[in-house]
Amino acid sequence: AQSVSQHNHHVILSEAASLELGCNYSYGGTVNLFWYVQYPGQHLQLLLKYFSGDPLVKGIKGFEAEFIKSKFSFNLRKPSVQWSDTAEYFCAVGSYNNNDMRFGAGTRLTVKP
Amino acid sequence: ETGVTQTPRHLVMGMTNKKSLKCEQHLGHNAMYWYKQSAKKPLELMFVYSLEERVENNSVPSRFSPECPNSSHLFLHLHTLQPEDSALYLCASSQDWAGRGRYEQYFGPGTRLTVT
Repeated sequence: AQSVSQHNHHVILSEAASLELGCNYSYGGTVNLFWYVQYPGQHLQLLLKYFSGDPLVKGIKGFEAEFIKSKFSFNLRKPSVQWSDTAEYFCAVGSYNNNDMRFGAGTRLTVKP
Repeated sequence: ETGVTQTPRHLVMGMTNKKSLKCEQHLGHNAMYWYKQSAKKPLELMFVYSLEERVENNSVPSRFSPECPNSSHLFLHLHTLQPEDSALYLCASSQDWAGRGRYEQYFGPGTRLTVT
């Protein structure tokens, strides 16, 4: 079965530390890739997306993600996290060939002030 | 009101009850979704409707019954649930079915369901 894997369930960082959250998927063919974020008490919202073109995409609040096709990965990065980045982060993959859309289990990020 | 709204926000029901969750989107989208969010598990896609037709049903037990009377409204009818069905149920919408194209989803706040 197709799957989306987020390897870290909970990441704890201090402010100003660098962040990288992993996301791997098992679909072949063309994929549409998303990172969503859920801040405490708020709705899930889009952080960034990749459809085609430059594999390094930039999103809101200084986040970026890199699509590496050969590794079936779409990792999320931020050079310097802030306390306000404390949230849960979800990777999602849409597959046109499979007519499917799946989310990962999410990674909870806690940033200590 | 804008975005995606869900009612009720919290629901406690016994295993023999029948209840319904309601979702409304004010974005003019054609696709609507029901997801189940449980702790430490992937967000589970339950149902997808595009232009009021069901396009996805991921082996969801029949005790969950969706209804999409028009492209703005989506219901999830619940009956004879089990305690393991306790979870956060999220509704989302997008311009069209995200499994077919480049469509980001907009989520509601969810209904926290507890089955006793």
